[in-house]
Amino acid sequence: KQEVTQIPAALSVPEGENLVLNCSFTDSAIYNLQWFRQDPGKGLTSLLLIQSSQREQTSGRLNASLDKSSGRSTLYIAASQPGDSATYLCAVQNYNTDKLIFGTGTRLQVFP
Amino acid sequence: DGGITQSPKYLFRKEGQNVTLSCEQNLNHDAMYWYRQDPGQGLRLIYYSQIVNDFQKGDIAEGYSVSREKKESFPLTVTSAQKNPTAFYLCASSTELEQGVHFGDGTRLSIL
Repeated sequence: KQEVTQIPAALSVPEGENLVLNCSFTDSAIYNLQWFRQDPGKGLTSLLLIQSSQREQTSGRLNASLDKSSGRSTLYIAASQPGDSATYLCAVQNYNTDKLIFGTGTRLQVFP
Repeated sequence: DGGITQSPKYLFRKEGQNVTLSCEQNLNHDAMYWYRQDPGQGLRLIYYSQIVNDFQKGDIAEGYSVSREKKESFPLTVTSAQKNPTAFYLCASSTELEQGVHFGDGTRLSIL
């Protein structure tokens, strides 16, 4: 059974720092891995989607990498800002079931 | 604009009552999903549908029912058999697996 783990569970940093959020998964038979952002009381906003054949994706200050063989992904946030404060979730879409399995998220707070 | 619309935003259920959460998408996506999110926890899959008139149970289907009579619509009924329904419910859709998953803004269900 696929299990997705995110470390750390919470993170509080001063503005301007570069951050790394970690996601690990137990079954490497995945179609893709997706990173989402969730603001309090809101739905999920897709940030980056990495196909199983890709190694990384970039969007603005965000960079996500994928290492299928080791079951790991990292989300790198450059020059963090208070507006980046949110919960970040990673999810993998399983090859054999098509299900999207989520981690429990990293709650990020960036203070001025 | 294309997207996923969930309604209502807030819903209250009396004991013994069935309630239905609406999810409509105009993205022409084949697959649709329902997730439940409890405070401080990740998303858990309730039901999913990959094609009209077909759906499968997720990890926590007991006490819930769905239908998929139209491609655009995937309503979720929370039945009286669901003894702990208070949660944030999120609907999602996807097209081919390479395109990732898109989410609605959620419905918050509470018990009166």
